[in-house]
Amino acid sequence: QKEVEQNSGPLSVPEGAIASLNCTYSDRGSQSFFWYRQYSGKSPELIMFIYSNGDKEDGRFTAQLNKASQYVSLLIRDSQPSDSATYLCAVILSGSARQLTFGSGTQLTVLP
Amino acid sequence: ETGVTQTPRHLVMGMTNKKSLKCEQHLGHNAMYWYKQSAKKPLELMFVYSLEERVENNSVPSRFSPECPNSSHLFLHLHTLQPEDSALYLCASSQALAQGADTQYFGPGTRLTVL
Repeated sequence: QKEVEQNSGPLSVPEGAIASLNCTYSDRGSQSFFWYRQYSGKSPELIMFIYSNGDKEDGRFTAQLNKASQYVSLLIRDSQPSDSATYLCAVILSGSARQLTFGSGTQLTVLP
Repeated sequence: ETGVTQTPRHLVMGMTNKKSLKCEQHLGHNAMYWYKQSAKKPLELMFVYSLEERVENNSVPSRFSPECPNSSHLFLHLHTLQPEDSALYLCASSQALAQGADTQYFGPGTRLTVL
């Protein structure tokens, strides 16, 4: 079992819709969770981090964490073509000296 | 310069060459990282430095040799690489290895091609 799993996609949504990206992790003791966006040929850029169960909102982005079910999700409201990118979920696993373990990413395409 | 910078942005080298990648962070952080990103594979952590001391080496072959002379600079020295080492090499930095300050910020990367 992979430590951090994401559906590789591609996920396509129409412009203006809600895009839902999911990530599961294997280590129940994980405490810190991050979402990065990576455009083709570019480096990852941080979108959000979340440490506590529940929702965390920042503009059009909402991160949702459910530690009991070991998943973290990212919702993008009012999706725009500029949101088309690969979204990387990253987790700091317990006992990892606070190092990030990344999922393989989900490729999102927002259709105009 | 702001954020995390990396040079060169692109590098082509033969298997017998020796080259170095450079990373510089202007964020006042004290932890720095090297990652490798190959096509269709997750980001792989290679090395972690905290307060200029190496705290992690994730079973990286010895043909990759990191150096952290101070908290703002990180190098990756390369020698006798293999074609399968061709990838995007990313540097990142963070404030500290502690929750609440562990957000990592990435540089633009060096696209390495080994012939």
